[in-house]
Amino acid sequence: DAGVIQSPRHEVTEMGQEVTLRCKPISGHDYLFWYRQTMMRGLELLIYFNNNVPIDDSGMPEDRFSAKMPNASFSTLKIQPSEPRDSAVYFCASSTRTGVASTDTQYFGPGTRLTVL
Amino acid sequence: QKEVEQNSGPLSVPEGAIASLNCTYSDRGSQSFFWYRQYSGKSPELIMSIYSNGDKEDGRFTAQLNKASQYVSLLIRDSQPSDSATYLCAVNIAGYQKVTFGTGTKLQVIP
Repeated sequence: DAGVIQSPRHEVTEMGQEVTLRCKPISGHDYLFWYRQTMMRGLELLIYFNNNVPIDDSGMPEDRFSAKMPNASFSTLKIQPSEPRDSAVYFCASSTRTGVASTDTQYFGPGTRLTVL
Repeated sequence: QKEVEQNSGPLSVPEGAIASLNCTYSDRGSQSFFWYRQYSGKSPELIMSIYSNGDKEDGRFTAQLNKASQYVSLLIRDSQPSDSATYLCAVNIAGYQKVTFGTGTKLQVIP
């Protein structure tokens, strides 16, 4: 089975430009998570979806960030306008309830390394 | 106080030794605890999960949970150079699917 797929793997853009990151979760998974990882702050949850509906977006840093999940197999994270402080690795992860535990394993994509000049 | 705290390291151990990684958390409602391993430039991958007090063993890895002390640890026996990575502790609050990650401990296993 294919794992979580993210694109692009690397993105270099200039300050003020719009950036769109894409994610395809594992087929059958009904939870999707967007994280940002930096050396200073570690791995931070930005937003997560359940059955395509945003459940918690309290980690989204500001209005410049937005996320959508139009269907079960695709999600986007958009930054408009981008700023140098947005430079980080952005991970997408997916999971599904197995009924065994209250929280189930999250499977991470390879990440998108974003550099904003 | 951070929700999940880990010593950033690096923790250096000789090959064959036991590596001990520690994590504390602040929310007493936490019910699920995870250890992820992240190699440099790669994504996190789950290596252990634990839900009840005590020890849970899987091969060379043992996770230990003490809810009264709000403490979870990971022991790696017979450490190998291939274990060199950053280990992330993650904690869930009851009723929620999301987890909170610590900033990770970098482990270096010296041949």
